[in-house]
Amino acid sequence: GAGVSQTPSNKVTEKGKYVELRCDPISGHTALYWYRQSLGQGPEFLIYFQGTGAADDSGLPNDRFFAVRPEGSVSTLKIQRTERGDSAVYLCASSLTDGSYEQYFGPGTRLTVT
Amino acid sequence: GENVEQHPSTLSVQEGDSAVIKCTYSDSASNYFPWYKQELGKRPQLIIDIRSNVGEKKDQRIAVTLNKTAKHFSLHITETQPEDSAVYFCAARANNNDMRFGAGTRLTVKP
Repeated sequence: GAGVSQTPSNKVTEKGKYVELRCDPISGHTALYWYRQSLGQGPEFLIYFQGTGAADDSGLPNDRFFAVRPEGSVSTLKIQRTERGDSAVYLCASSLTDGSYEQYFGPGTRLTVT
Repeated sequence: GENVEQHPSTLSVQEGDSAVIKCTYSDSASNYFPWYKQELGKRPQLIIDIRSNVGEKKDQRIAVTLNKTAKHFSLHITETQPEDSAVYFCAARANNNDMRFGAGTRLTVKP
């Protein structure tokens, strides 16, 4: 079946603008994760959803970052007042349940803030 | 919180040789340890994982070992091939679903 998909694949925005990044998890996967990956680094945990609720948002760096998953499927990561330091690849992953360990990653969105 | 250290940061081997990548973790509650392979510009792909109730797991040319007492785990690739060249990430996760990744190892297999 289809894997995790993310749109857009690339996003260039000016400093101070607002951006939304979308993630479509694997159908039937109730757990969804957002990570941020900077060049030469491993993925950094941002937030985890179980169903519609954010079960753990301890990785969000500050209040400019927010994520939603209103119907328990598609999720949107929202970044307000973007800064150049927000430039990174934003990865989404999903797993069957929160008790299922395997996470499957999407292709990522490369965000560049100029 | 969990802290994962990964070594080496780069590794170059000759085709056919073995490659070993090592990771340590800090949170004794961690119980799941996956390894991901990431090719340039691609998503991380799970290649093997191990849970804390076993000490070793093998899948063809890939094996992972876990020492819970010492809090370290290792990835072993035997008979390396050029297509094994990629960046490999280890990770550790406790029950809180917060998975922490190592900084990655860039493996180059020279033909």
